[in-house]
Amino acid sequence: AQKVTQAQTEISVVEKEDVTLDCVYETRDTTYYLFWYKQPPSGELVFLIRRNSFDEQNEISGRYSWNFQKSTSSFNFTITASQVVDSAVYFCALMRTGANSKLTFGKGITLSVRP
Amino acid sequence: DGGITQSPKYLFRKEGQNVTLSCEQNLNHDAMYWYRQDPGQGLRLIYYSQIVNDFQKGDIAEGYSVSREKKESFPLTVTSAQKNPTAFYLCASSTQFNQPQHFGDGTRLSIL
Repeated sequence: AQKVTQAQTEISVVEKEDVTLDCVYETRDTTYYLFWYKQPPSGELVFLIRRNSFDEQNEISGRYSWNFQKSTSSFNFTITASQVVDSAVYFCALMRTGANSKLTFGKGITLSVRP
Repeated sequence: DGGITQSPKYLFRKEGQNVTLSCEQNLNHDAMYWYRQDPGQGLRLIYYSQIVNDFQKGDIAEGYSVSREKKESFPLTVTSAQKNPTAFYLCASSTQFNQPQHFGDGTRLSIL
């Protein structure tokens, strides 16, 4: 069975602080995909990143960076110099490779960035 | 602009009534999905479709039905058999099954 754990439920920071959102996953598969999505107050989910289990390189995109560590089954997301617009719910998700694979979501982390 | 349109944004259901949520996409995606989101919970998969005229049950399909007669459309019916339908419903699509999913704005369903 697959499982995604986002132990932090709510995080509040002041603007310009750095913040890390944790994601730990469980799977018996050797190949899989990991995702992060952002859900702003408007409701839709916005795709942020997909990572293949073969690729353990860290990824940086502007103020966003992701640290994938297969040894600890973690895929953490860091926002540098946070902004009010970063306030949202962030979901980590796991998908097996192959046909009929489904996304397994964590419960999400509510991030509030205060001015 | 290309995207996914869900309607209505808010929907109210009376006891014993079936209601249908609309999902249309103009992204030319083959795969489409329906998720249910409850407060403080992640998304749970209701139904998905990889191709026209074919769909599969997800993790919580009981009390729901879908159809996929056109590539662009994947409506979800919440039947009277769904005893706890109050939730936020999200539709998504992707080019293929393992590709990133793009989501609509959601429909919030409540019981009158």
